[in-house]
Amino acid sequence: GEDVEQSLFLSVREGDSSVINCTYTDSSSTYLYWYKQEPGAGLQLLTYIFSNMDMKQDQRLTVLLNKKDKHLSLRIADTQTGDSAIYFCAESSTGGYNKLIFGAGTRLAVHP
Amino acid sequence: NAGVTQTPKFRVLKTGQSMTLLCAQDMNHEYMYWYRQDPGMGLRLIHYSVGEGTTAKGEVPDGYNVSRLKKQNFLLGLESAAPSQTSVYFCASSTTEGRQPQHFGDGTRLSIL
Repeated sequence: GEDVEQSLFLSVREGDSSVINCTYTDSSSTYLYWYKQEPGAGLQLLTYIFSNMDMKQDQRLTVLLNKKDKHLSLRIADTQTGDSAIYFCAESSTGGYNKLIFGAGTRLAVHP
Repeated sequence: NAGVTQTPKFRVLKTGQSMTLLCAQDMNHEYMYWYRQDPGMGLRLIHYSVGEGTTAKGEVPDGYNVSRLKKQNFLLGLESAAPSQTSVYFCASSTTEGRQPQHFGDGTRLSIL
């Protein structure tokens, strides 16, 4: 079945790079997404990558996709305290209604 | 830019009570979704709608009903609330074009005592 897995917690020092990893199972996924959730808020789309791409860069964010290993990562350069949040990886599925399968989320803690 | 608006933001219910959560979107999206978020489990799809007047079951539909009488609104109902339904509920919407991302509301925090 479809499944998305993430590590649950990551702690980094302010100014360092953060790398959040995700593995998925559906090889037919066409898009993979990263969402950010700040405390008490909804999910905010950070970025997404089409499955025929290996990498996508957007300012401090770099997404790497290894389709062979079904592995997705999100790198945040120069991590700031404002980046502290839960990050969700999601894959699009073959359902006809833009179905998304979410991971459990990685809580990123940034400390001085 | 309202986007997706959920009401109420917080609610406490007693077991057996009923209530309706309202989701409204102003982006003219065809697709709308209701999710629940529980600790360590990510988001699970309860019900979804692919257009006005349509609804369908998602991953965890038991104990919930939905209606989409108007394109911009998607209602989630709990007929007889149970403690297991204590959760944070999110509504989302998206277009039908390709694999466009879903846009989320800020959530409703629901506690069932």
